[in-house]
Amino acid sequence: EAGVAQSPRYKIIEKRQSVAFWCNPISGHATLYWYQQILGQGPKLLIQFQNNGVVDDSQLPKDRFSAERLKGVDSTLKIQPAKLEDSAVYLCASSRGGTGELFFGEGSRLTVL
Amino acid sequence: GQQVMQIPQYQHVQEGEDFTTYCNSSTTLSNIQWYKQRPGGHPVFLIQLVKSGEVKKQKRLTFQFGEAKKNSSLHITATQTTDVGTYFCAGWERNFNKFYFGSGTKLNVKP
Repeated sequence: EAGVAQSPRYKIIEKRQSVAFWCNPISGHATLYWYQQILGQGPKLLIQFQNNGVVDDSQLPKDRFSAERLKGVDSTLKIQPAKLEDSAVYLCASSRGGTGELFFGEGSRLTVL
Repeated sequence: GQQVMQIPQYQHVQEGEDFTTYCNSSTTLSNIQWYKQRPGGHPVFLIQLVKSGEVKKQKRLTFQFGEAKKNSSLHITATQTTDVGTYFCAGWERNFNKFYFGSGTKLNVKP
């Protein structure tokens, strides 16, 4: 089966600019996650979707981050305006649901200058 | 709040030596998963433990889940250079309905 697809792989922007990341999960996976991984740290959950509904967005900085999964399939994560501390790898993961194995995409590496 | 701590942060070993990383949670976990992330790569699932006191083996890797379901360990016997990477535990906290990732243990193996 095809894996989790993410784009772009790399993005360099200046602070206060905006950026969007796209994720297409494994077909049939109801749960989709966006994680932020800062260099040297473990993945930090930003938002979790179950189909097209938000399950958890408690750690999403909602003043600048937004995410949607309108049709319950692919998802977009947006940052506007970006700050220097947003420099990180943004990982998308999907699972069949619940507490099962997470399948991660290759990630989108963001550098904010 | 919920915390999943992992130690050590780094481990440098000579090829052939053993390696262990430990994961500790502040609360009881429903299950725990282990992932491996190669340098420049993304986390890849290794295993899931669910039962109290559970032990699972995958070739040279041995995974344990504590009796109280608050701690776990990953032990690698006779490390190889292919074991290089960062190992993360991720605990499912039932009350919060989500996974909490540890900070990872970065393993370097010298040939």
